[in-house]
Amino acid sequence: NAGVTQTPKFRILKIGQSMTLQCTQDMNHNYMYWYRQDPGMGLKLIYYSVGAGITDKGEVPNGYNVSRSTTEDFPLRLELAAPSQTSVYFCASRGQEAYGYTFGSGTRLTVV
Amino acid sequence: AQSVTQLDSQVPVFEEAPVELRCNYSSSVSVYLFWYVQYPNQGLQLLLKYLSGSTLVKGINGFEAEFNKSQTSFHLRKPSVHISDTAEYFCAVSEANTGGFKTIFGAGTRLFVKA
Repeated sequence: NAGVTQTPKFRILKIGQSMTLQCTQDMNHNYMYWYRQDPGMGLKLIYYSVGAGITDKGEVPNGYNVSRSTTEDFPLRLELAAPSQTSVYFCASRGQEAYGYTFGSGTRLTVV
Repeated sequence: AQSVTQLDSQVPVFEEAPVELRCNYSSSVSVYLFWYVQYPNQGLQLLLKYLSGSTLVKGINGFEAEFNKSQTSFHLRKPSVHISDTAEYFCAVSEANTGGFKTIFGAGTRLFVKA
């Protein structure tokens, strides 16, 4: 009964460093998403995937990359961290017939 | 393009009082509507959803919402709140003609329940 699992929960990066935020789900969901949450701004869609091997950009994709080699995993890559990427990142998934997302518990990232 | 506006950024209310959190949306096509709740340091959890049919939707924890197509609104209500309802609430919309697989979220309303 794990749902959507995100790692790590917290991370501090220096400017210019890179990292991968991990997301895995065990519900066999086709759709997966990455959002960032900034205070007072709600959630902004970074990237999404409708199935293994298929990804597409959301509203705020610059500075990020994703891959979807399996149904379960949808990692988010930051190549050159910038202070503007300080945020809380949420991964979510949705089944084909289910409306409404299942969210992970988030990754709080600080870039200094 | 669709959009969603939550009309109040913060709503303070006393315990056992009723509450309404307001949400308006904009879309040129039919929509699916959602309310999510986020407790501190947690992910979002689905409270309720409107897909079609009855305009009054009941969700978890005693919350309900009413879809008003003419006013393009989807306000969330609870007749009597508890301290444990203190959280941030997000209204969200997705387009029905695309199967609803992309969702736009509002900026959130922070509900404070006071003793």
